[in-house]
Amino acid sequence: DAKTTQPPSMDCAEGRAANLPCNHSTISGNEYVYWYRQIHSQGPQYIIHGLKNNETNEMASLIITEDRKSSTLILPHATLRDTAVYYCIVRRTGANNLFFGTGTRLTVIP
Amino acid sequence: SAVISQKPSRDICQRGTSLTIQCQVDSQVTMMFWYRQQPGQSLTLIATANQGSEATYESGFVIDKFPISRPNLTFSTLTVSNMSPEDSSIYLCSVAKTVGPGNTIYFGEGSWLTVV
Repeated sequence: DAKTTQPPSMDCAEGRAANLPCNHSTISGNEYVYWYRQIHSQGPQYIIHGLKNNETNEMASLIITEDRKSSTLILPHATLRDTAVYYCIVRRTGANNLFFGTGTRLTVIP
Repeated sequence: SAVISQKPSRDICQRGTSLTIQCQVDSQVTMMFWYRQQPGQSLTLIATANQGSEATYESGFVIDKFPISRPNLTFSTLTVSNMSPEDSSIYLCSVAKTVGPGNTIYFGEGSWLTVV
């Protein structure tokens, strides 16, 4: 799998946008970028994924750079319930499963 | 999406015993996987549960320790055999409805096992 690099922790003020970066400089042309989050004591929750184009859904936006070497997950209006560990995963070509790194622990501050 | 139910959600087990975890999905899925998350760690894939055939195990995991069954497209079990305190972890079932790049993988809430 293409290696991903995420900051170990970040803080964000409640109500502000949370921008979580991910570096994946060795990504291959047909590998997707996935984002999950894990709130304490729960199973990972799917957030969003993309290949080349930016993606948006009801939870977040995913911005992938043109060279695809990095991406940013944006939570537009962070709430306290968004406090979690966020995992950026590059899914290798042909793989049906996911390999998790250590993620970014996001803390939303009141 | 997929609704995934795991049982038990939590258990305390005696050293040397075995425990079977069940994973039930609300609809047919193509792929089912089992992950382990040790305390303070990230998720590690144990195996892919294959319907009607032996599971495919990742490096470091063996069938004798983690036997897996998948009798149909909505159900799978993972057994943790001859448990030791090092097996204290969250065990997670995950599923994919379709095969191929760009599909979505969903996770259950996990089964918290503490071995004493």
